[in-house]
Amino acid sequence: NAGVMQNPRHLVRRRGQEARLRCSPVKGHSHVYWYRQLPEEGLKFMVYLQKENIIDESGMPKERFSAEFPKEGPSILRIQQVVRGDSAAYFCASSPGSGLNTEAFFGQGTRLTVV
Amino acid sequence: AQKVTQAQTEISVVEKEDVTLDCVYETRDTTYYLFWYKQPPSGELVFLIRRNSFDEQNEISGRYSWNFQKSTSSFNFTITASQVVDSAVYFCALSETGGNNRKLIWGLGTSLAVNP
Repeated sequence: NAGVMQNPRHLVRRRGQEARLRCSPVKGHSHVYWYRQLPEEGLKFMVYLQKENIIDESGMPKERFSAEFPKEGPSILRIQQVVRGDSAAYFCASSPGSGLNTEAFFGQGTRLTVV
Repeated sequence: AQKVTQAQTEISVVEKEDVTLDCVYETRDTTYYLFWYKQPPSGELVFLIRRNSFDEQNEISGRYSWNFQKSTSSFNFTITASQVVDSAVYFCALSETGGNNRKLIWGLGTSLAVNP
């Protein structure tokens, strides 16, 4: 069984470009969470999605950031017109349900560097 | 509001020493879960333990042990006879309740360096 797969592992973008981060959840998991880890900081929740639905995007910046989890295919975190402050590690987690007793499995993260 | 505090930013020990990583949390929920994750230098997040708020029994897994005390809102993690491979950043996290949402509130992490 494959775990959560994130790609790319490392992504370098120039200021103003778009970054697309992909997350394939554990097979059978329909719940996906995105977290951001800024340098020297803990993780911060960004968004929670179920298939085709955004459930909670309270942690997403209001502009330039969007997320989707289509019926088919991976979840995508999209950052438009990247700025240096977007440089961070972005982690995706998936779970089979939303209950507290369900463990979320994390991917290895995508490290975005904006130059 | 929920909050997780890891007061120790960095800890350095010599191999074979025991080390305890502190975690203090705040929540108004009566049902919640606490987690510990390890982030080695390679960057991935490795799940270590999940503990629910109704189970205050201490847990031991090999050289790792966890002490959960609701009275002091603490969930401390002890590594016995530390090894160089234990060098990593360790995060404590709290799950937040609320309908269909489940998101983790994270501490800032404790960076542990185990020196030979």
